[in-house]
Amino acid sequence: DVKVTQSSRYLVKRTGEKVFLECVQDMDHENMFWYRQDPGLGLRLIYFSYDVKMKEKGDIPEGYSVSREKKERFSLILESASTNQTSMYLCASSLMRRMGATEAFFGQGTRLTVV
Amino acid sequence: AQTVTQSQPEMSVQEAETVTLSCTYDTSENNYYLFWYKQPPSRQMILVIRQEAYKQQNATENRFSVNFQKAAKSFSLKISDSQLGDTAMYFCASTGANSKLTFGKGITLSVRP
Repeated sequence: DVKVTQSSRYLVKRTGEKVFLECVQDMDHENMFWYRQDPGLGLRLIYFSYDVKMKEKGDIPEGYSVSREKKERFSLILESASTNQTSMYLCASSLMRRMGATEAFFGQGTRLTVV
Repeated sequence: AQTVTQSQPEMSVQEAETVTLSCTYDTSENNYYLFWYKQPPSRQMILVIRQEAYKQQNATENRFSVNFQKAAKSFSLKISDSQLGDTAMYFCASTGANSKLTFGKGITLSVRP
């Protein structure tokens, strides 16, 4: 089975801190994604990566950056955490096929609270 | 660009009955996939069913089936013989050749005993 592992289930950080959320997948997937999930807003894409060192902005990239130095690992960075970044963060990965990406597999989520 | 719309925020169904969750989408691509994901209260997101746009036949997975209307850009999920374990948030999603996976806002489904 595909496994996508996020480094923390719960995090509490202070305003202004630099925050790293780590995600690792073990199925050699090309694509990796970071979403944030907020009530009533569904899942909104922050960034995704289709290859090592490649990234594309999603719908809400402001205040975030990402790093993908190895195929299995995709990191989300909050350069200076703010209270409006309190949210659930979900990482996902998917396999790339000729006709497009297949279904995504998700991590268990990280509940980040910025105080 | 792709958009996915789920206009119903929540639904409720009696155990053992059938319920249909609605989804519409918009895409400029010819080849794409459509998905329904389930997120139970424990929050691990799992795939329920997927549909490849070039296939005419509606996908089926046990009690779950879809009604895929390509011309209308509609992709609804039917759950038959609803069970208490079906209580969850359900998300409709689409992806195309650019790999970007786009989700709707989700619907909260409650199954009543």
